[in-house]
Amino acid sequence: GESVGLHLPTLSVQEGDNSIINCAYSNSASDYFIWYKQESGKGPQFIIDIRSNMDKRQGQRVTVLLNKTVKHLSLQIAATQPGDSAVYFCAETSPAAGNKLTFGGGTRVLVKP
Amino acid sequence: DTAVSQTPKYLVTQMGNDKSIKCEQNLGHDTMYWYKQDSKKFLKIMFSYNNKELIINETVPNRFSPKSPDKAHLNLHINSLELGDSAVYFCASSQQGADGYTFGSGTRLTVV
Repeated sequence: GESVGLHLPTLSVQEGDNSIINCAYSNSASDYFIWYKQESGKGPQFIIDIRSNMDKRQGQRVTVLLNKTVKHLSLQIAATQPGDSAVYFCAETSPAAGNKLTFGGGTRVLVKP
Repeated sequence: DTAVSQTPKYLVTQMGNDKSIKCEQNLGHDTMYWYKQDSKKFLKIMFSYNNKELIINETVPNRFSPKSPDKAHLNLHINSLELGDSAVYFCASSQQGADGYTFGSGTRLTVV
């Protein structure tokens, strides 16, 4: 079936370095993508989103890249800080899905001081 | 002010019991959701309500019954709890036509 795919790997990053988290999706009809951050004991929080008519979008210290050709999404975090330690999820939806978001499996980011 | 609030935050109960989790949102959103997060952090949608009407009902055992008394509340009742029901349950809300959800902080359910 269609899915947004991430296993739950762990990315260890030195404080101050850049982080890159990847996500593959399989639904070619997906037209809207969101990255969420989930800290321990909390619910997922919206970080940044991108629509399928764009290939790059920047926020504060974060950049999302979308490659529709290979159905790949990435989140780049610049100058990673200890507060960036969390589990990161990509999520997608398509017109046929209405407002329903399908989540990938998550990546744990650990920032080393 | 908490935008999406769930109660209780923790729930430990024995197999076979019936329990409820409550969710309220003060964002004025018209759509609410229940998601289940398993031990591997995978988030899967269970239900969605729009203005008190059920619009998404994924493959969930009928022991799970959502109830939406008004568009600001979506409760989840679970009958005959099983060990496999142990998970973190998240409530979320969104505005129809807008994008992205606002999540609550989760209810950790442990069935023993």
